[in-house]
Formats: sequence, structure tokens, C-alpha cells
Amino acid sequence: DIVMTQSPDSLAVSLGERATINCKSSQSVLYTSNNKNHLAWYQQKPGQPPRLLIHWASTRESGVPDRFSGSGSGTDFTLTISSLQAEDVAVYYCQQYYNDPRTFGQGTRVELK
Amino acid sequence: DVQLVESGGGLVQPGGSLRLSCAATGFTFSTYSMNWVRQAPGKGLEWVSYISDRGGSTKYADSVKGRFTISRDNAKNSLYLQMNSLRNEDTAVYYCARDRWVAPIDPFDSWGQGTLVTVSS
Repeated sequence: DIVMTQSPDSLAVSLGERATINCKSSQSVLYTSNNKNHLAWYQQKPGQPPRLLIHWASTRESGVPDRFSGSGSGTDFTLTISSLQAEDVAVYYCQQYYNDPRTFGQGTRVELK
Repeated sequence: DVQLVESGGGLVQPGGSLRLSCAATGFTFSTYSMNWVRQAPGKGLEWVSYISDRGGSTKYADSVKGRFTISRDNAKNSLYLQMNSLRNEDTAVYYCARDRWVAPIDPFDSWGQGTLVTVSS
């Protein structure tokens, strides 16, 4: 199984400041046949199901604010919230969909400082 | 709007059985592969099982293989998870989740609100 490791486990950010979450996979999730990274990011607010934010490592889902951006390739990825808003307080998960089983990182909790 | 509504959770003793259901509306259910994903209390997300659009292909996490069975009824727009030989460690909120596309392995673009399964004596 591909192991996904996120860092940090939690971070506290002031309103309007940048939040950066890292995700590392135990093997590359870049498919050479389509040159795409099979990496997604989810947001989960308290008491809610996860919400898909980003797929192909950097493509935002429809309706996701452009303050959310994804980057990286191969085994190292980053989710950046450029200017944190109060409604962004949540746990964020990365997930690989390169092969089965589809595995998630352990999650990163983003809080307000 | 896509809507997924799970039901069937509850309290069950170790070794017992439970059947979860997920009712789908707002999209052509028969053209999407579906999954069950669980989340133990205060923990992260764990994919549990997958079924293809017509039900011909199924996959399971090693942790549930041989104990859980996924199925679907496209005429009823419903997804199911039969859970047997339940263990304490199966305690979790169980979500049904839709595959994003029709590729063999996709992220999950729609999720239900979840149903809580508690395994305890």
C-alpha cells in the first residue's frame, strides 16, 4: 500500500495569513501514461463529510475558492491556503488514487491563531 | 443536486451483523462507481470498499475482506454494505462516496453525511 504522510499534524494561522500543508507519498503517484499526479486534497469541517477540493494535485474542483492551490509532483505535494478565512478552519487530507487501496494522509488540522 | 443518504447504522455486539444502505439522488446512479469510506471516532479516513457502475467489479480493504460485502441495486438507486463478524475496531462513521469519473481509480467527489456504526458489548 502507498503510505501518505502529512506535515504538520496541526497548525495555527492568523486570519489573512498563509497556511501550508505538506503531503509525502511512499512511492511516486505520477502516472507516466497521462503525465498526471493522482493526488487529491479534501477538506473536512467539524460534523461534516469530507469535501473534494483538488484533484490531479493542482486542479481545483468547481466552486472551490482560488485561495486554495495545490502543487508538487511525484512524491511531494503541498496544499496552500493563500489568505486564511474563518471558514477554512478544518482538517485537510491528501489522498492518492494511483492504485488500490486508495489511501489518505493522517490529516492536518488548521486552526485560527 | 447530488445527494447521498446513508442509513442502517447503530449499536451491535462484537460478532454481529449490520447492513448499511445509501440512497442516491440527483445523478444517473447506474453510470458511477461507488465506495464506502469509514472514519473511526476522532481518527482519519479509511477506504473500505468499491463497486463498479454495473456491479461487476468489487474491491475491499484487507481489514474487511471476507467479512464485508458491497452490492448495489441500480433500479433502486441504492448502494449497500453487508457487514458480518463485526469487531470493536469497525466502530466508525461510514460514508458512501461517489467516484469522480469513470476511470478505474478516482478521487471521491460526492459524500453522504455518514451513518455511525458502534460495535460494543
